[in-house]
Amino acid sequence: GESVGLHLPTLSVQEGDNSIINCAYSNSASDYFIWYKQESGKGPQFIIDIRSNMDKRQGQRVTVLLNKTVKHLSLQIAATQPGDSAVYFCAETSGTYKYIFGTGTRLKVLA
Amino acid sequence: DTEVTQTPKHLVMGMTNKKSLKCEQHMGHRAMYWYKQKAKKPPELMFVYSYEKLSINESVPSRFSPECPNSSLLNLHLHALQPEDSALYLCASSQGGGETGYTFGSGTRLTVV
Repeated sequence: GESVGLHLPTLSVQEGDNSIINCAYSNSASDYFIWYKQESGKGPQFIIDIRSNMDKRQGQRVTVLLNKTVKHLSLQIAATQPGDSAVYFCAETSGTYKYIFGTGTRLKVLA
Repeated sequence: DTEVTQTPKHLVMGMTNKKSLKCEQHMGHRAMYWYKQKAKKPPELMFVYSYEKLSINESVPSRFSPECPNSSLLNLHLHALQPEDSALYLCASSQGGGETGYTFGSGTRLTVV
């Protein structure tokens, strides 16, 4: 079957350092990808998206990279702050209403 | 208004109770969704409504019954739930399918006793 992401890992990063969160996907037909941030007790919050005709997209302190050859997605967070502590999910779709979510990565920012 | 509002935020119900979860958005989004999320797991799709019609049911047990009274409202009616149905229930909306992304509500934390 289709699957996105890895078993839930935890990434611990020192405050001020850069963070890289990775996600693997298996559906080669997926053409749109999103990164969500979920803080404790809240719903997922949109961070950044990328379409399959791009390989890089930048936002404010965040960058998403897409490597379609190896079906890999990454989220880079620059100058990680305590407020970045959360679980991060990647999600993919092949143009339908249904998104497939990865298993998530917990980011812990160390002071 | 750029929010999806879910009520109640917390709900405790017995296995013989009937309760409803409510979701509201005023962004003009034409698709609305129910997701279930267990602790430390990703959200799992339950239902999709598109233009107020049920378009996807991910083989959800009939003890969960969705309803879309109008384009701004989405309900999830609960009856005869099991303790394993305890989870965070998330509502989301989007302008359409495909490349539009979701806006999620904060969820209803449901505990079945």
